[in-house]
Amino acid sequence: EAQVTQNPRYLITVTGKKLTVTCSQNMNHEYMSWYRQDPGLGLRQIYYSMNVEVTDKGDVPEGYKVSRKEKRNFPLILESPSPNQTSLYFCASSLRQGVSTDTQYFGPGTRLTVL
Amino acid sequence: DAKTTQPNSMESNEEEPVHLPCNHSTISGTDYIHWYRQLPSQGPEYVIHGLTSNVNNRMASLAIAEDRKSSTLILHRATLRDAAVYYCILRRGWGSQGNLIFGKGTKLSVKP
Repeated sequence: EAQVTQNPRYLITVTGKKLTVTCSQNMNHEYMSWYRQDPGLGLRQIYYSMNVEVTDKGDVPEGYKVSRKEKRNFPLILESPSPNQTSLYFCASSLRQGVSTDTQYFGPGTRLTVL
Repeated sequence: DAKTTQPNSMESNEEEPVHLPCNHSTISGTDYIHWYRQLPSQGPEYVIHGLTSNVNNRMASLAIAEDRKSSTLILHRATLRDAAVYYCILRRGWGSQGNLIFGKGTKLSVKP
């Protein structure tokens, strides 16, 4: 089944403890992206990647890192999480980037709480 | 970025058609109109997209005004499962302009 998977689905952590949220897609997509969703602010893009070893900042990149060493994986790294990074995170992928007719497929979400 | 305007919320009765409007008066000639929806506790999912002509698929229809300054997503027979937030998004045809920029969307409630 074609899908985007995220792990973990739920995470409670403490301020400053490094964490990684994994994202994987099995559709051989070039483009992958991370969003966060907060009440009243909607979905905002954190980082995106057009292909392996090509990443770029979205609208809210501060406090996050990403890497794209393999086409299927796009982990989101919080090196020193803070409470304002408590949010619902979504990973997404699409076949190509820069093609406005492509469909984006979203993962099920990761709910992160930073105490 | 070209912006879209949608009502905050709408209500519908089950098995009736629903027309969700979207205004995009600053749309450019290369902007595609996309609709995504987000069911409760799930990630967004693609619904439909179009450029100039009306479009139909198994989920919905998209009616695009002749001047392209507005569009309407049509759910022909709403079901309880269609209760979701619907996002109207403009996507430009090249490079990073193809990123999805989500607005607040329209929260659709469906009454049995």
